[in-house]
Amino acid sequence: EVQLVESGGGLVQPGGSLRLSCAASGFAFSNSWMSWVRQPPGKGLEWVAMMNPDGSEKPQIDSVKGRFTISRDTARNSLNLQMDSLRVEDTAVYYCVRDGGRSWGQGTLVIVSS
Amino acid sequence: DVVLVQSPLSLPVTLGQPASISCRASQSLTYSDGNIYLSWFQQRPGQSPRRLIYKVYNRDSGVPDRFSGGGSGTDFTLQISRVEAEDAAVYYCMQHSHWPHTFGQGTKVEIK
Repeated sequence: EVQLVESGGGLVQPGGSLRLSCAASGFAFSNSWMSWVRQPPGKGLEWVAMMNPDGSEKPQIDSVKGRFTISRDTARNSLNLQMDSLRVEDTAVYYCVRDGGRSWGQGTLVIVSS
Repeated sequence: DVVLVQSPLSLPVTLGQPASISCRASQSLTYSDGNIYLSWFQQRPGQSPRRLIYKVYNRDSGVPDRFSGGGSGTDFTLQISRVEAEDAAVYYCMQHSHWPHTFGQGTKVEIK
């Protein structure tokens, strides 16, 4: 069974940092594109960043460039998102996603507020 | 960025009746390999999105056959042949032929 379990969300002040993690199991993580997709409360979906299997490609949306860093640890089957210089508009549920949306985690809530 | 426009945004449907959702792209979604990477997702209240359809018309494993996808070029549709109570949800189209991957605004299907 495919499982994607996110962790690391919480309440942080504007300008602060958080590190999200996603533990993957039940599929060939080392061969999969992995992504982070977010959803502000009550709103639609936004594809934030993704990474190819060997880590050589990691496009991000413009609004997070220079602030968010996506990474993966193949030995631990984990995907990470380091989020720095957080803004109020980054408040959302962050989902770990496999391939082109084939599988989704349950999400972790990030709230940026003073 | 590719803009995906869904219509309608709200769709009240009677149980057992068909439903259709449109997704129109601002540019061609044909990728360099010839495929069209257009998917449909269902998100029930309080749940994560679930992919129903990929590459326009391919149903994911476990998805009831009352769901079907179609279209070409820049116009795509999701059809539900006979709506059931469990189909009450928000439906999103999504393209990943171009970066950034983008979603439509979502269509809320409500049971009358």
